[in-house]
Amino acid sequence: DSGVTQTPKHLITATGQRVTLRCSPRSGDLSVYWYQQSLDQGLQFLIQYYNGEERAKGNILERFSAQQFPDLHSELNLSSLELGDSALYFCASTTRVRPYTGELFFGEGSRLTVL
Amino acid sequence: EDKVVQSPLSLVVHEGDTVTLNCSYEVTNFRSLLWYKQEKKAPTFLFMLTSSGIEKKSGRLSSILDKKELFSILNITATQTGDSAVYLCAVGTSGTYKYIFGTGTRLKVLA
Repeated sequence: DSGVTQTPKHLITATGQRVTLRCSPRSGDLSVYWYQQSLDQGLQFLIQYYNGEERAKGNILERFSAQQFPDLHSELNLSSLELGDSALYFCASTTRVRPYTGELFFGEGSRLTVL
Repeated sequence: EDKVVQSPLSLVVHEGDTVTLNCSYEVTNFRSLLWYKQEKKAPTFLFMLTSSGIEKKSGRLSSILDKKELFSILNITATQTGDSAVYLCAVGTSGTYKYIFGTGTRLKVLA
């Protein structure tokens, strides 16, 4: 158990709908990362937050948004869903304690299926 | 644009074989290189390398980083069926603290 919690584990929805994925980082970790993994693909970096502030953006679509709340949990919002958004969405957290070489700890992922 | 490339994309070997997985990178502000094993769901951490030429070892797995030539290798000796997985390489950057992943190498070990 990495200590990173993601909900829901599975989600099936229809095209055009909106969903919210939730992530609770490891206790004490201030950094949260979101990744998308489509079938047989590597992990595509979406966005990173540190202590409530957005720090880095990857190839995140405009239909997607995220935020990190004061209690450090994060939510990824996916709207106007398309079939191609079906994927496994991972949240990961890391410590930022010096030296800044921390590993990423991954949650179990949220599998989104868009029908 | 930051890039991490892994090779081969897939590999099938027999138990007892030794395999070498490759990871090359082109990133701005390199900080660290990480190897992960992904079996069913969440990637699990194997190694983190920050210094060139220093081998990290854990049992039958070992890894080394060459910061001059911008690559790393992951070696698995005496492979077992339990080593079957996707092996992911990621590079961490300083400044923005991004972690860029390669597409992975899918390893299948046959009994």
